[in-house]
Amino acid sequence: DADVTQTPRNRITKTGKRIMLECSQTKGHDRMYWYRQDPGLGLRLIYYSFDVKDINKGEISDGYSVSRQAQAKFSLSLESAIPNQTALYFCATSDAGTREEKLFFGSGTQLSVL
Amino acid sequence: AQSVTQLGSHVSVSEGALVLLRCNYSSSVPPYLFWYVQYPNQGLQLLLKYTSAATLVKGINGFEAEFKKSETSFHLTKPSAHMSDAAEYFCAVSQQYSSASKIIFGSGTRLSIRP
Repeated sequence: DADVTQTPRNRITKTGKRIMLECSQTKGHDRMYWYRQDPGLGLRLIYYSFDVKDINKGEISDGYSVSRQAQAKFSLSLESAIPNQTALYFCATSDAGTREEKLFFGSGTQLSVL
Repeated sequence: AQSVTQLGSHVSVSEGALVLLRCNYSSSVPPYLFWYVQYPNQGLQLLLKYTSAATLVKGINGFEAEFKKSETSFHLTKPSAHMSDAAEYFCAVSQQYSSASKIIFGSGTRLSIRP
């Protein structure tokens, strides 16, 4: 079983719809992240959470919200989806116990907003 | 501010040939540097990292990278390419002693291997 699981793997939605992408992990890590990947732009950080009560905006948080329901679960919501939010979304975790934190990624959710 | 620049969005080499993927960084403080690899339909996974212990860093699958401060470079190499090396490779930088939330990724280089 995957250590970082994202659902769904693919999602097609229409402009204006609210959608949620979910992430769960079995690694026991406190820190969780949401990134989006766009061709030619690499990965950009949307939100991150250092524990259940600690949520932080990343580089590109506008139009997104998150919820850390438990240590193992971190969901990303698009309140009103727009076409330029079409991208590949990744959830990741890291272990705060190491000095240089290694990221562990899920397999991604391909989101298309029509 | 930190940044990384990956030279070449697409690199194609023949099987058995040298792989060279270029990365230059900008950092006002001593950096940590990373190479991540993304195989098709998978998330990124760490290939190797530089954390100031040694300038030549060896990673998984025969890859290595050399930190050159004078050239602000951290190029990724492999002596002999395999078909299984076809993937997208991301260079990344962060500040020493900072969290993973400070990692800045490059735009990626897609590596293709010709039979």
